[in-house]
Amino acid sequence: SAVISQKPSRDICQRGTSLTIQCQVDSQVTMMFWYRQQPGQSLTLIATANQGSEATYESGFVIDKFPISRPNLTFSTLTVSNMSPEDSSIYLCSAKGGHYEQYFGPGTRLTVT
Amino acid sequence: AQKVTQAQTEISVVEKEDVTLDCVYETRDTTYYLFWYKQPPSGELVFLIRRNSFDEQNEISGRYSWNFQKSTSSFNFTITASQVVDSAVYFCALSWGYGNKLVFGAGTILRVKS
Repeated sequence: SAVISQKPSRDICQRGTSLTIQCQVDSQVTMMFWYRQQPGQSLTLIATANQGSEATYESGFVIDKFPISRPNLTFSTLTVSNMSPEDSSIYLCSAKGGHYEQYFGPGTRLTVT
Repeated sequence: AQKVTQAQTEISVVEKEDVTLDCVYETRDTTYYLFWYKQPPSGELVFLIRRNSFDEQNEISGRYSWNFQKSTSSFNFTITASQVVDSAVYFCALSWGYGNKLVFGAGTILRVKS
């Protein structure tokens, strides 16, 4: 299994600003993913972060709002841009394991005021 | 369309009771994977089990057991002799094809009272 860490663990941000979330995996993985979990809700996939190519975004999510970087096989960042209170959520990154399971980081709890 | 339905929003039991969490899935793919995750109050998602579509064998791990039935498109999760530490949100999830995306159900909140 993979061990995943995220920074920051939580943040309170002002409307209109941006926050970059970092995700570090303890081993090389081909696939990394970013999810959003709105308060009291399930997880929704934002995008798949591919090393060496642009991220693949799900319907309803766009690169201008959620730019993603994947500079190597152990690291990825997600930026939440021009934030509004509706962006208040938990953001989780995950890495795909050897048998299609995904291992998740502890999440970043974002509050936008 | 790929979809996971967890009809039980919240279940409350008393410690030592058995409890079953239901999961029904929809997919047109013949190759797919089903998962259960636990999200305790701390928030971190814990991977519990994976099943692929070609393996309908039920599985038991300690107090946990899973029943996979393709005929009813269900992948139910039973906790035997529940404990307070089992209190969490449990998510059923589905991936298909090359197993990249995960689609999650809405989750079931399990409250185990002492």
